[in-house]
Amino acid sequence: GAVVSQHPSWVICKSGTSVKIECRSLDFQATTMFWYRQFPKQSLMLMATSNEGSKATYEQGVEKDKFLINHASLTLSTLTVTSAHPEDSSFYICSARAPVNTEAFFGQGTRLTVV
Amino acid sequence: AQSVTQLDSHVSVSEGTPVLLRCNYSSSYSPSLFWYVQHPNKGLQLLLKYTSAATLVKGINGFEAEFKKSETSFHLTKPSAHMSDAAEYFCVVSAFNQAGTALIFGKGTTLSVSS
Repeated sequence: GAVVSQHPSWVICKSGTSVKIECRSLDFQATTMFWYRQFPKQSLMLMATSNEGSKATYEQGVEKDKFLINHASLTLSTLTVTSAHPEDSSFYICSARAPVNTEAFFGQGTRLTVV
Repeated sequence: AQSVTQLDSHVSVSEGTPVLLRCNYSSSYSPSLFWYVQHPNKGLQLLLKYTSAATLVKGINGFEAEFKKSETSFHLTKPSAHMSDAAEYFCVVSAFNQAGTALIFGKGTTLSVSS
């Protein structure tokens, strides 16, 4: 199956700093990428949907100025958590979908800890 | 709006006994439905998907699910549980949002398998 690579798999940062997470589709062109957030023992909550070359669409309640999403190419999307605080600590997962395909492939996730 | 409800937050079975994880969906049109599995601190793996073809869908690792429109259900089953099946399972529906379509996750069911 298609491979989506997410990097880093875990990161610890100081409060107030910014962290960038990368999501790459390795063997297909992903016109649409999704970013999810998962709290411990909870489900995945969709944060935003990004289509290549256009601005991301954020779900209600997600701060677009805090969670910056860039989808500049068909194989790369980035999520930058700006001015991170301890409450931003979570598991972030990206997924990517090729054109006219209902199946999305998921990255391995990034465990973010803000201290 | 499209949504899924996983009826059990936790299911416990003995090794070698059948597994049933229940999922009901809500959709105003013919949905695409998926089951994903997540092992601790790992990404998601697609078990199977329904996209309006055969109503009985066979997936990986011996899992299967049956789409029942009259009951708006998409329950996941396996004839004989294995210890390695212990994980978190998510029922997922493909839904339209402002940016196109996205995968909306149920709250998850934790499957425990005892020897």
